[in-house]
Amino acid sequence: DTGVSQDPRHKITKRGQNVTFRCDPISEHNRLYWYRQTLGQGPEFLTYFQNEAQLEKSRLLSDRFSAERPKGSFSTLEIQRTEQGDSAMYLCASRHRTSGGPDTQYFGPGTRLTVL
Amino acid sequence: GDSVTQMEGPVTLSEEAFLTINCTYTATGYPSLFWYVQYPGEGLQLLLKATKADDKGSNKGFEATYRKETTSFHLEKGSVQVSDSAVYFCALFSSNTGKLIFGQGTTLQVKP
Repeated sequence: DTGVSQDPRHKITKRGQNVTFRCDPISEHNRLYWYRQTLGQGPEFLTYFQNEAQLEKSRLLSDRFSAERPKGSFSTLEIQRTEQGDSAMYLCASRHRTSGGPDTQYFGPGTRLTVL
Repeated sequence: GDSVTQMEGPVTLSEEAFLTINCTYTATGYPSLFWYVQYPGEGLQLLLKATKADDKGSNKGFEATYRKETTSFHLEKGSVQVSDSAVYFCALFSSNTGKLIFGQGTTLQVKP
């Protein structure tokens, strides 16, 4: 079990550019979540997938944001026309849905985005 | 809606001191409760969890008890170490919303 991995760990971009982040969940975890964390705050839910289906999106996820999980394994989060307000840590988490078990999500190390 | 409130930090303690970080929640139904820890520059690590009233989660000397009557899940440790310096997040998972909701985090600084 290698844990949740994210790539890149850091991204610096200029305002208006597009960026894409990748998340590889723990093997066989069928649920995958994206969160955004700004400085001094707790993570805020953005969206989640069950297998390849995107089941819910937060109102925080503007139309410049899009997430995919094409084969139910890794996921990508793309931000188009980045703005300075998009600067944050983007966290990915995965969870295995087991009956009767606690709803535990395991987090990756995050991708820190800086928009200049 | 569901929410989590933590005591404001930073909390500064000397090594071997007793730690309490308060956490209270508001939720419909019966959420699962969690404490996560975040070290500088890293993602969140699950520290402990509790799924029903009166459950006690424990790990690495940290403990928290799910108190339904006071809607609380306070984190405690009897003797902190410098290596415990980090940001601690209390969170709840509600099956009603299907979301993990976090508090704002409490920074702990332990001095030798």
